[in-house]
Amino acid sequence: KAGVTQTPRYLIKTRGQQVTLSCSPISGHRSVSWYQQTPGQGLQFLFEYFSETQRNKGNFPGRFSGRQFSNSRSEMNVSTLELGDSALYLCASSLEGRSASEQYFGPGTRLTVT
Amino acid sequence: GNSVTQMEGPVTLSEEAFLTINCTYTATGYPSLFWYVQYPGEGLQLLLKATKADDKGSNKGFEATYRKETTSFHLEKGSVQVSDSAVYFCALSERRGNFNKFYFGSGTKLNVKP
Repeated sequence: KAGVTQTPRYLIKTRGQQVTLSCSPISGHRSVSWYQQTPGQGLQFLFEYFSETQRNKGNFPGRFSGRQFSNSRSEMNVSTLELGDSALYLCASSLEGRSASEQYFGPGTRLTVT
Repeated sequence: GNSVTQMEGPVTLSEEAFLTINCTYTATGYPSLFWYVQYPGEGLQLLLKATKADDKGSNKGFEATYRKETTSFHLEKGSVQVSDSAVYFCALSERRGNFNKFYFGSGTKLNVKP
């Protein structure tokens, strides 16, 4: 099975612009989560989608949004970019089941805001 | 609420030294526990997992035992290699109704010197 894929891998944007990142989960996985990773703050949870619905949300401003499509692919969007949004954005998918299952991560999108 | 606490790094060891990275957790229910590893420029990879008390997860020479009495899941390896240099994350997953909720520690950077 192919792993979680994220596009693009690297992105440079200017303050005030917006950006859209894409994530394709492992085939059969319906849960997709997004995380922001920075050196200072570590791994911070953004939101989780399941069956095209946002099921869980972290403490990020409304500039951060996401969506999930019927094929489970997910996108996240950041509007009005700020310098502090520079980070590695990680997507993770998991297989829903009765027991707590693990998440599988993609390679990430490195976003640099100048 | 639930949380994961792991020892701060960086941890610097010589090749073939014994490794321990401490991880403790708080959880209201019966979580599954994980160790993830992140190599430079990559996403997180699942290293090992344990789904119930006294389970031992193991992979690539790494081991961790789910200790419910001490709420711990310490990562160990008998003889580290330079290639083990990475950031290690302890995590837990707990069933909440119809979905799994994940919590990650802050990560511990391991440097192994030849």
